[in-house]
Amino acid sequence: GAGVSQSPSNKVTEKGKDVELRCDPISGHTALYWYRQSLGQGLEFLIYFQGNSAPDKSGLPSDRFSAERTGGSVSTLTIQRTQQEDSAVYLCASSLGPLLKAGANTGELFFGEGSRLTVL
Amino acid sequence: AQTVTQSQPEMSVQEAETVTLSCTYDTSENNYYLFWYKQPPSRQMILVIRQEAYKQQNATENRFSVNFQKAAKSFSLKISDSQLGDTAMYFCAFMKGLSGNTPLVFGKGTRLSVIA
Repeated sequence: GAGVSQSPSNKVTEKGKDVELRCDPISGHTALYWYRQSLGQGLEFLIYFQGNSAPDKSGLPSDRFSAERTGGSVSTLTIQRTQQEDSAVYLCASSLGPLLKAGANTGELFFGEGSRLTVL
Repeated sequence: AQTVTQSQPEMSVQEAETVTLSCTYDTSENNYYLFWYKQPPSRQMILVIRQEAYKQQNATENRFSVNFQKAAKSFSLKISDSQLGDTAMYFCAFMKGLSGNTPLVFGKGTRLSVIA
């Protein structure tokens, strides 16, 4: 597709349920990021995938959160046993990856429109 | 760890006027990149401008320019001739290193309202 696609755009779930959020990055982008944006807060880094390297999971807030990226393309963020504090907008972004060069790969992240999660 | 601070939660500016959004950051790195992203009400983040730390010249993109003060670790965004479409959340972001192989660290954002 032309841009980063995320689904669902909105998800309402009950506390304790599991949810899966999907991200389809721009074709050819090797880097994929997940961020969480809570009301009044900035973007909180969750996880980063780069090519076939082991993902950087340092931002995941608890072991209820996990993510995978199949075939170096589509990524799924899974939240198990959701809690009310998990309510937020989950943003996915992709980029061309490393080797920032002026005039070529600028390091720009291309974001999806996000998935708004509401946990009741 | 790197931190990014945006000290102005909200700002407003009259249409056609100039406004400056502030950003400071804390890092021990010498090589890094700085970015300003815009998030309009539609929610999709878009890149406004980018600055390489090794460049002394301030980046400029049409009506948008930065004042990069490396020693002071300051990276402010100036919007000239403000337009109604500039109304958005603006996030300052930091990426360490030159490889581009690290996640961006974002500030908490500044909500800018352009008033007709």
